[in-house]
Amino acid sequence: QSVLTQPPSASGTPGQRVTISCSGGGSNIGSNIVNWYQQFPGTAPRILIYSSHQRPSGVPDRFSASKSGTSASLAISGLQSEDEADYYCAAWDDSLNGPVFGGGTKLTVL
Amino acid sequence: QELLQESGPGLVKPSQTLSLTCTVSGDSISSGSYHWSWIRQPAGKSLEWIGRIYTSGNAKYNPSLQSRVTISVDTSKNQFSLKLDSVTAADSAVYFCAADRLKLGLDFWGQGALVTVSS
Repeated sequence: QSVLTQPPSASGTPGQRVTISCSGGGSNIGSNIVNWYQQFPGTAPRILIYSSHQRPSGVPDRFSASKSGTSASLAISGLQSEDEADYYCAAWDDSLNGPVFGGGTKLTVL
Repeated sequence: QELLQESGPGLVKPSQTLSLTCTVSGDSISSGSYHWSWIRQPAGKSLEWIGRIYTSGNAKYNPSLQSRVTISVDTSKNQFSLKLDSVTAADSAVYFCAADRLKLGLDFWGQGALVTVSS
């Protein structure tokens, strides 16, 4: 059971906008920034969003994120087939003094 | 850009110690740019942070594993290591090492090392 809660799956057609939610608590999302990771099968995660809404260089601006209270969301606009992957939210947890992760959302591009 | 590579046995017997090493290239492990973490992912499941070694040499562990885990650093080899004692089948997972910017996230990851605990 992951500390952060994500829907197990999401889907969309090419060109659509898809959002993935992430819910936590006061010791993690409620008091810290959220990071998002993208993982393709058999590979390591890569950081997609940091500091709740910042994109590392090389990440398309189709990816955006926001945070409100103890929840966060990742939005992907102009969905492309290469976006099909697993997406994980993560947040620093003050009790753990480390990151906690969501259970992951498998995004399917129909 | 940091490059990380895990190495170590892929098969460990129950009750024995899992040992993995992460070799960092692209920067000195003691430069202070990053701290260094281990994360694991059981097959088909999510990610679990195991622990971190700071550039100071101090370590912080996930309380769920604290009694069994040790993370150390060898600056002369630009490596840091993970030891997990008394393993069981529940410790079977892909183990990743990562460059850690604390609240700002895990910037660079190794490709992962699959470790299976089985007799």
